[in-house]
Amino acid sequence: DADVTQTPRNRITKTGKRIMLECSQTKGHDRMYWYRQDPGLGLRLIYYSFDVKDINKGEISDGYSVSRQAQAKFSLSLESAIPNQTALYFCATNQGGTDTQYFGPGTRLTVL
Amino acid sequence: GQSLEQPSEVTAVEGAIVQINCTYQTSGFYGLSWYQQHDGGAPTFLSYNALDGLEETGRFSSFLSRSDSYGYLLLQELQMKDSASYFCAVGGYQKVTFGTGTKLQVIP
Repeated sequence: DADVTQTPRNRITKTGKRIMLECSQTKGHDRMYWYRQDPGLGLRLIYYSFDVKDINKGEISDGYSVSRQAQAKFSLSLESAIPNQTALYFCATNQGGTDTQYFGPGTRLTVL
Repeated sequence: GQSLEQPSEVTAVEGAIVQINCTYQTSGFYGLSWYQQHDGGAPTFLSYNALDGLEETGRFSSFLSRSDSYGYLLLQELQMKDSASYFCAVGGYQKVTFGTGTKLQVIP
């Protein structure tokens, strides 16, 4: 079984809709991250969390919110989706004190 | 802040050696990592350098020069399955910043 899972894997939605992307991990890591990937722009950090009570904005947090429901669960929400949020979204985890990140399989989101 | 530069595309022949360079500017530096991503897949960790020098893992090696803010990934005995995007990433205080990626195409 995968250590980091994301649901849904694909989602098509309309402008203005609220969307939640979910991430779960069984690695026991304390740190979790949400990234967005667009062609030619690499991976850009949206939000990150070092434990359940710690939430931090990344470089592109506008239009997004997150919730760390438990050590193993980190959700990303788009309150009112817009077309330029169409992208591939990755969740990642790592253990404090190391740089190595472990990625989920990604969620491909299309906003029409 | 942190910024990284790497070539956008590289083409190499099967069986050959290819080097992917990465230069970075950072306000805090813990180490340089490399990730591989196949089309449609997730990034996967390849290697990590915290200190100057060469780290070898099978056909892949990674090099770091902290004084030059420079590193590279060396892929030897290229195989068709090595066709993928390769990202360098700098670890700093609290988070990791990724480069924009180098798309490697291996041709027969």
